[in-house]
Amino acid sequence: AQSVTQPDIHITVSEGASLELRCNYSYGATPYLFWYVQSPGQGLQLLLKYFSGDTLVQGIKGFEAEFKRSQSSFNLRKPSVHWSDAAEYFCAVGALNTGNQFYFGTGTSLTVIP
Amino acid sequence: NAGVTQTPKFRVLKTGQSMTLLCAQDMNHEYMYWYRQDPGMGLRLIHYSVGEGTTAKGEVPDGYNVSRLKKQNFLLGLESAAPSQTSVYFCASSKTGYEQYFGPGTRLTVT
Repeated sequence: AQSVTQPDIHITVSEGASLELRCNYSYGATPYLFWYVQSPGQGLQLLLKYFSGDTLVQGIKGFEAEFKRSQSSFNLRKPSVHWSDAAEYFCAVGALNTGNQFYFGTGTSLTVIP
Repeated sequence: NAGVTQTPKFRVLKTGQSMTLLCAQDMNHEYMYWYRQDPGMGLRLIHYSVGEGTTAKGEVPDGYNVSRLKKQNFLLGLESAAPSQTSVYFCASSKTGYEQYFGPGTRLTVT
């Protein structure tokens, strides 16, 4: 069965520190992978996506993610966190042969302290 | 270009009442989706549509119906609301079926 796991429910980092949010997936087909960010009271915004090719993908707001097939992971990283990065982050997976169904992780809440 | 809009933003229903949530997009996207978001559960797909006049069930379709009579609109209906349907509902649209653009959400409370 398809599933997405985000092991960290909540993470706190200091402003300027590096960040890594973990995402593991279980999928029978070649996955398409996504990271979304949700600010309080807002909808979700796409940060980055991986379809194929280079396994290190760059996104908006200085985020990047690396696809590791052997580990079934797609971790999100940022070298230096800004206070405005405080939000909820969701990893999602989909594929060509799934009828366009997407599966989201349960989210990681990021707090940034000065 | 408003993107994806949802009406209403908030609603309180009594058990057994019905209502319709409206999602509209002005990007000429073929694909549209309805999700619900519950604490600790992430987003779960209720129904989706791959084009005007088509709909399909997602992960949690029970208790909901949808219609896509016009390409730009995707309606989500609750015929007889239950407290378990208290949630935040998000609509999304996509040109390709992969990159999704989300609306701001509708917060529904069923008492």
